[in-house]
Amino acid sequence: DAEITQSPRHKITETGRQVTLACHQTWNHNNMFWYRQDLGHGLRLIHYSYGVQDTNKGEVSDGYSVSRSNTEDLPLTLESAASSQTSVYFCASSEGLAGAHINSYEQYFGPGTRLTVT
Amino acid sequence: GNSVTQMEGPVTLSEEAFLTINCTYTATGYPSLFWYVQYPGEGLQLLLKATKADDKGSNKGFEATYRKETTSFHLEKGSVQVSDSAVYFCALSDLQTSYDKVIFGPGTSLSVIP
Repeated sequence: DAEITQSPRHKITETGRQVTLACHQTWNHNNMFWYRQDLGHGLRLIHYSYGVQDTNKGEVSDGYSVSRSNTEDLPLTLESAASSQTSVYFCASSEGLAGAHINSYEQYFGPGTRLTVT
Repeated sequence: GNSVTQMEGPVTLSEEAFLTINCTYTATGYPSLFWYVQYPGEGLQLLLKATKADDKGSNKGFEATYRKETTSFHLEKGSVQVSDSAVYFCALSDLQTSYDKVIFGPGTSLSVIP
């Protein structure tokens, strides 16, 4: 069965370190998204990609970067981790408008990565 | 811009009680509307959807009707179970103005007690 996975599931790191969170999907979806979830803020979009070599900033992109070298993966990098980036991070994917049907924008979510920056 | 507003809760209900979670939206185009559910320790998953006015989405006993005149998409269930305890997110996707992106509400936490 197709799925979307994230690794690691839990990560503790120190302020100033570079951290990369992995996201891998086997849906063959064009679109991939990274969100962070914080109490009182719901889900906030960090970065998104509509296809290979395409990346776009979301509403809270400062301090984060992504790259899309293939369809399956969209790793999220924290260049220099800060305590304000302690959060739960979710990756999601959707087929996108290139899909053949109107439901192609439904998003499928990974299980999340809980990141703590000390 | 597009936005979604929903009651934030937390909502606590007894088993078999009736559930309503209110959701209203603002959109410049003709959005599709969704309810996602997040069970403890998991990612979000789609619960139901409606793609045009007056459509009713339904799944697992939950229902929501797309009301364009009141810009609402309220979630209802006639008899909740303990297993329905989760966070519920109302969301919209407006292909005309936010190409392929989904705008989420803040989420409503539901606890069902036996």
